[in-house]
Amino acid sequence: EAQVTQNPRYLITVTGKKLTVTCSQNMNHEYMSWYRQDPGLGLRQIYYSMNVEVTDKGDVPEGYKVSRKEKRNFPLILESPSPNQTSLYFCASSLFPGTYEQYFGPGTRLTVT
Amino acid sequence: DAKTTQPPSMDCAEGRAANLPCNHSTISGNEYVYWYRQIHSQGPQYIIHGLKNNETNEMASLIITEDRKSSTLILPHATLRDTAVYYCIVRANQAGTALIFGKGTTLSVSS
Repeated sequence: EAQVTQNPRYLITVTGKKLTVTCSQNMNHEYMSWYRQDPGLGLRQIYYSMNVEVTDKGDVPEGYKVSRKEKRNFPLILESPSPNQTSLYFCASSLFPGTYEQYFGPGTRLTVT
Repeated sequence: DAKTTQPPSMDCAEGRAANLPCNHSTISGNEYVYWYRQIHSQGPQYIIHGLKNNETNEMASLIITEDRKSSTLILPHATLRDTAVYYCIVRANQAGTALIFGKGTTLSVSS
C-alpha cells in the first residue's frame, strides 16, 4: 500500500531533550516536506527536500533540523525542544517538486513540557 | 499567489450532493485549483485539482467557471465520513513552494 508513515504518533517530552520524528514514504517520491499545525494558524511548512541531500527552509524552520540521506526517509530533528514546539506535525511527499498532489502522513502529536 | 475565500461552514444531509464553493478572483493563468480535506486531526488528503476544464475522479467533481475566478467542489453523494474541513488552494506548480492552507470550509454531513 502506498503510504507515508510517521513515528511516533504521540510523544510527550521535556524541554531540552533531543528527539527525532521519523518519516518514510514507499512511493519513490522525490519531494518531501514537514508541516506543523496549530489552532488558528493552520498548516505551516517547516522544511522541505527536493531530492536526496537537497533540503531547504520553509516558513517556520527555527528550532528544527532535517536530513535526507535516502530518498524514502526524511526525519525531523528537534535538538532542544521547547514548549512552543508543542504541535501536530505532518510529513508529506509528492512525486516531483512543484506538483501539489501531496500525500500526507497520519501526524505526530508532540507535547513539550 | 491568489487568495481564496471559502464559507467557514456548511451542512449537508447524508446521500445528498455537497457543493463547496471557492472564490479566487485574482487567480493567474498558470495557477491550478487544488482541493484537499482534513478529517479531524488526520493528515490532509488530496481530492482533486484542475486548471481550466472541469475534472472528475472517484472522489469528487471540480467545476471551474469560464473566467476561472471561482470553483465548486462537488461530492455527489455525501456520507457521514465526508465530514471534514475542505481546503481550496490556488497555486502555480513551482518547485520548492509550500501548499498554503487557509481556514477552509467545515462540512458537516448528518443523517
